[in-house]
Amino acid sequence: GQNIDQPTEMTATEGAIVQINCTYQTSGFNGLFWYQQHAGEAPTFLSYNVLDGLEEKGRFSSFLSRSKGYSYLLLKELQMKDSASYLCAVKGNNRLAFGKGNQVVVIP
Amino acid sequence: DTEVTQTPKHLVMGMTNKKSLKCEQHMGHRAMYWYKQKAKKPPELMFVYSYEKLSINESVPSRFSPECPNSSLLNLHLHALQPEDSALYLCASSQGTGDIYGYTFGSGTRLTVV
Repeated sequence: GQNIDQPTEMTATEGAIVQINCTYQTSGFNGLFWYQQHAGEAPTFLSYNVLDGLEEKGRFSSFLSRSKGYSYLLLKELQMKDSASYLCAVKGNNRLAFGKGNQVVVIP
Repeated sequence: DTEVTQTPKHLVMGMTNKKSLKCEQHMGHRAMYWYKQKAKKPPELMFVYSYEKLSINESVPSRFSPECPNSSLLNLHLHALQPEDSALYLCASSQGTGDIYGYTFGSGTRLTVV
C-alpha cells in the first residue's frame, strides 16, 4: 500500500519563496509527481522525479530523496495565481496515489 | 489535441436516478482512469482501464459501473447513488499504465446526489 503525508495549509507573500514537503511510504515506487489544483479544477502536472536530486522548471523546482521517502516542491517568485492546492502523488503498482495536498494562499 | 474532456460539468441526480458521466481523449492514450475527489481531500482512484479492459477496481461499490466502449471514450454509469457519493469525479488518461507515464486530467464532473 501507499501512505503519503503533506502539511495542510500555508500563507505566503507575493514574490516570496515557499517549500512544500511530502513524505511517503510505499511498497512499490516508480516516481513522484507534483500537481497544482485550483479549486474546482483539474490537477495540472508540474514536475516528475524518479531519481534522487533536484529538477528545475522555471519558477518551480522539485527534489527527491528515495532513501528518505521525501520530496519537496519549491515555488519561487510567488505570484497571486500560484494560490492553489499542491498535491504530491506517488506512482507504483500501476497506480498514482495522491497525498492530502497543501493549500498555498498568496497574499499581496 | 492535448485535452481530456468530461461531460457534463455539473450533474444533480436523485437517489433513484440512472445517469452517466462521459470522458473523451484523442491523444492516443491507452490507459484511462476514474478518480473521486471529495472537498479538501486528494483524488482517490476508482478504476483503471488499460487497452479498453478493466485492470483495476479499487473495491468500488457496484452502483458505479465503468465502461470503455473504445480507446478514446470512458463512461461511468451511476445508479442508486447515495448523498455521500456527491463529489468531483475526475477522468485521466496516460500513454500506458507502466509507471513512467504521467497522467492528463479532465476538469471533472461535479456530482450532487439529492
